[in-house]
Amino acid sequence: DADVTQTPRNRITKTGKRIMLECSQTKGHDRMYWYRQDPGLGLRLIYYSFDVKDINKGEISDGYSVSRQAQAKFSLSLESAIPNQTALYFCATSDPTIGDGGNEQFFGPGTRLTVL
Amino acid sequence: QKEVEQDPGPLSVPEGAIVSLNCTYSNSAFQYFMWYRQYSRKGPELLMYTYSSGNKEDGRFTAQVDKSSKYISLFIRDSQPSDSATYLCAMKGYSGGSNYKLTFGKGTLLTVNP
Repeated sequence: DADVTQTPRNRITKTGKRIMLECSQTKGHDRMYWYRQDPGLGLRLIYYSFDVKDINKGEISDGYSVSRQAQAKFSLSLESAIPNQTALYFCATSDPTIGDGGNEQFFGPGTRLTVL
Repeated sequence: QKEVEQDPGPLSVPEGAIVSLNCTYSNSAFQYFMWYRQYSRKGPELLMYTYSSGNKEDGRFTAQVDKSSKYISLFIRDSQPSDSATYLCAMKGYSGGSNYKLTFGKGTLLTVNP
């Protein structure tokens, strides 16, 4: 079974709708991240959480919100989706105690979101 | 100037070729340098990381960092069709106290032809 899972895998929605993307992990990591990936722009960090009580904005947090319901769950919400939020969204986890400062992030399979 | 620059390619090489992938960066706060590999329709996975200038080798892969020039490279020797993927450089640092910063390059799409 995958260590980092994302639901849904694909979603098509309309402008103005509220959307929630969910991420669950069985790796036992405290740190979780949400990214979006766009052609020509690469991966960009939306939000990150170093533990359940710690939430931080990333590079492009406007228009997004997150909720860390438990160590294993980190959800990303689009309160009112707009077409330029069409992208591939990835959740990732890391553990600072692994290796050299926890530089490895473990990514989920991604959610392809289309906003019409 | 963007903090991390990476040529998106695409790059197409014959099997067995030596591949060179590169990124430049402008932020001196970056301390850790990573290369991720992303296959089509998959999430990225860490290939290599280093934090010091110099070379780090792992099998057919060599990561090179030159902090004085703010330039990192990934070399793939004896490239295989299974190496066909998008390669993303990533850099991590802390700025302004404990503020965490991780920045990815755009990724370079590599195709190794049999």
